Amino acid sequence: SQTIHQWPATLVQPVGSPLSLECTVEGTSNPNLYWYRQAAGRGLQLLFYSVGIGQISSEVPQNLSASRPQDRQFILSSKKLLLSDSGFYLCAGLNQADTQYFGPGTRLTVL
Amino acid sequence: GESVGLHLPTLSVQEGDNSIINCAYSNSASDYFIWYKQESGKGPQFIIDIRSNMDKRQGQRVTVLLNKTVKHLSLQIAATQPGDSAVYFCAENSGDYKLSFGAGTTVTVRA
Repeated sequence: SQTIHQWPATLVQPVGSPLSLECTVEGTSNPNLYWYRQAAGRGLQLLFYSVGIGQISSEVPQNLSASRPQDRQFILSSKKLLLSDSGFYLCAGLNQADTQYFGPGTRLTVL
Repeated sequence: GESVGLHLPTLSVQEGDNSIINCAYSNSASDYFIWYKQESGKGPQFIIDIRSNMDKRQGQRVTVLLNKTVKHLSLQIAATQPGDSAVYFCAENSGDYKLSFGAGTTVTVRA
């Protein structure tokens, strides 16, 4: 079965600092991968998705970027964090049943 | 904005009773719907899904009903248990298996 790994689990960063969140997948190859952000008490907002290596689609213009350097690796980055970047970041993959399954998430606090 | 919404933000239910969580969607072309359960600080967990060619699907203690005429989706949980306390999200497939999520319903189970 497919498993999504994310790290770190929690992160506290100052405004203006860079960001790199990593997501890796095991148990499948060439999956569709997704980055979501969840604000407190809200639903999930799709940020980026990727259908393969080097292929990134952005859903919402923002201070973040994504990259997929390897088939099973999806990275979320920022050059300079803003206070509004705080949130719970979730990576998801698409399994063979066409269902999205989620990783454990990264709680980001920008101070 | 969000294309999927939930009728009630919170639901309090007595342990052992049945729970019903409702969801309205706006895209009549959506053909795939999923219910997720999210416990505090964790990623969403798949509960059950349904495709638009069905109007009912059952799992273990859960049933999803789809009414395409009024664009309404519901999740029924039988014999609700304390472990069912969580936030429940409905999601619809908005194309290329990109999901649109509602804000969620918080279910609290009273002992």
